Amino acid sequence: EVQLVESGGGLVQPGGSLRLSCAASGFTFNSFGMNWVRQAPGKGLEWVSFISSSADTIYYADSVQGRFTIFRDNGRNSLYLQMNRLRAEDTALYYCARDAGGVGASIFDYWGQGILVTVSS
Amino acid sequence: DIQMTQSPSSLSASVGDRVTITCRASQTINGYLNWYQQKPGRAPKLLIFYASNLQSGVPSRFSGSGSGTDFTLTINSLQPEDFATYYCQQTYTTPLTFGGGTKVEIK
Repeated sequence: EVQLVESGGGLVQPGGSLRLSCAASGFTFNSFGMNWVRQAPGKGLEWVSFISSSADTIYYADSVQGRFTIFRDNGRNSLYLQMNRLRAEDTALYYCARDAGGVGASIFDYWGQGILVTVSS
Repeated sequence: DIQMTQSPSSLSASVGDRVTITCRASQTINGYLNWYQQKPGRAPKLLIFYASNLQSGVPSRFSGSGSGTDFTLTINSLQPEDFATYYCQQTYTTPLTFGGGTKVEIK
């Protein structure tokens, strides 16, 4: 059974940093690209970042470019999102999602349960 | 960026109704259009990929169609478990973008 479990969320002050983790199991992690998607309270879905299976292709939304870094450890079956210079508008539920389609043809076929990040003083 | 516009933003329907949700892209997306269902407090669930392909395990009352810039999600014979919010997503080019969502409520 495919499982994605996020961790690392919490309350952080504006300008602070946080690292999210996504532990994957039930599939061959190093064969799939992965994504982060977020959802602000009561709002819709916003794609944040994509990393290919071998980490040779990475994309970011403009809203996080230069502040967030996506990376993965295929040996640990884990995906990460390092979030720096956090802003109030980064407050959201963050999901990791497996990409069954790959570069240029993404399909988010499995999602984690989400982890809440709150940026507030 | 490609803008995805869903309509309606919400609708009320009864069990057994046929429901149609539309999604329009601001430019052609070559069929790279996915549909997701999200229930309150839950993660999104993939329903349809590449405009018309039913994801494994999804009931056949869900179907997708469309090409170019205009796409449709149809739910035939709406069931109680289908009351949720539905999102379209284009994956033709980055940034990957979602529609604003369509909330399907019980009439």
